[in-house]
Amino acid sequence: GQQVMQIPQYQHVQEGEDFTTYCNSSTTLSNIQWYKQRPGGHPVFLIQLVKSGEVKKQKRLTFQFGEAKKNSSLHITATQTTDVGTYFCVSSHQAGTALIFGKGTTLSVSS
Amino acid sequence: GAGVSQSPSNKVTEKGKDVELRCDPISGHTALYWYRQSLGQGLEFLIYFQGNSAPDKSGLPSDRFSAERTGGSVSTLTIQRTQQEDSAVYLCASSPPANEQYFGPGTRLTVT
Repeated sequence: GQQVMQIPQYQHVQEGEDFTTYCNSSTTLSNIQWYKQRPGGHPVFLIQLVKSGEVKKQKRLTFQFGEAKKNSSLHITATQTTDVGTYFCVSSHQAGTALIFGKGTTLSVSS
Repeated sequence: GAGVSQSPSNKVTEKGKDVELRCDPISGHTALYWYRQSLGQGLEFLIYFQGNSAPDKSGLPSDRFSAERTGGSVSTLTIQRTQQEDSAVYLCASSPPANEQYFGPGTRLTVT
């Protein structure tokens, strides 16, 4: 199936710095979901975006869906060591079809 | 309530043997996914079941892989004639239609 492209693949930051990961598709997405996978764990759902231009916030995390519904971003303000893990964007190109994971961005944070 | 469960949690098998991995989804979830994750890698989509529709098998890497879902609930992923490159964590997830996925803990498969 088609795959969303996620960048960067790896990111290392100092605690307190901001972090952003981007998810891009060449075709319009029905919706987009974000998941976090801690080292040794399984992916856990963070949020779903459906509307064009939608912005949602969860504490220090800000999620955005592009106006054309072809890209999305996750921004973390003032990272903490608890933010360590791999962040995945997941989407389908048509409602009701399989959700496809991006390759993820692995975030490491040093204190 | 009970989440997605998978069994076994770990499986070591010899090259060439067949293995069966089981997934018990959350009750009432109509969608079920199988993924494969190699060490340090992303999730590789394998197969998707949605209700009574024909499954989306587009992610299965070879004809050695098959999966079925009985009665719209429990699913079994079967790998025939296992190869060393099949070693990975196999994750199952279930969800209501077009909704968040709930993942099981995975089965770690090691082919020696």
